[in-house]
Amino acid sequence: AQSVAQPEDQVNVAEGNPLTVKCTYSVSGNPYLFWYVQYPNRGLQFLLKYITGDNLVKGSYGFEAEFNKSQTSFHLKKPSALVSDSALYFCAVRPGRNDYKLSFGAGTTVTVRA
Amino acid sequence: DAGVIQSPRHEVTEMGQEVTLRCKPISGHNSLFWYRQTMMRGLELLIYFNNNVPIDDSGMPEDRFSAKMPNASFSTLKIQPSEPRDSAVYFCASSPGLAGVSYNEQFFGPGTRLTVL
Repeated sequence: AQSVAQPEDQVNVAEGNPLTVKCTYSVSGNPYLFWYVQYPNRGLQFLLKYITGDNLVKGSYGFEAEFNKSQTSFHLKKPSALVSDSALYFCAVRPGRNDYKLSFGAGTTVTVRA
Repeated sequence: DAGVIQSPRHEVTEMGQEVTLRCKPISGHNSLFWYRQTMMRGLELLIYFNNNVPIDDSGMPEDRFSAKMPNASFSTLKIQPSEPRDSAVYFCASSPGLAGVSYNEQFFGPGTRLTVL
């Protein structure tokens, strides 16, 4: 069975500082990995995904994530956080091409203070 | 593109009443998903349709829940009778292609916040 862990419920950073949101996964085979962001009272918005190829993927709003197969991690990063990045972030995994089910992590609340 | 549209955005009802949630996927998307989000259980997949056909409903909690997709532009999730433990935010999502053989991301609607008193 696939699973996703986001070890931190909350991440607090100052504006302008680097932001990292951690994600580890457990799945057999080659996973498809996704990051979504949820703003208050809104649906989830897609940020980026890793399917294959370059381990560093770039996404929306200046976010990027690095796939590390040996550590089974897919941490989300942003070099310089903005107050507007404050939101709930979800990591999600699909086991691979032949499975459509997305398993979501519990989410990490990011607060960026001015 | 208007994105995935859900209605109503908020629903408050009393235990035992029937509740119907509605979803219009993005035009051209042929995979549709219903999710439920609660603090306790996070995001759970309830049911997945492809080309209007239910492919997997193993996540539907019990017989009180049913979902239909009569055409490519409309889906409903019905709860009858509703119970307080059904209170949650229900999301509809759509994606292009056949979800099992593609790697396209899912596009989520704004959700329906259901409160059952």
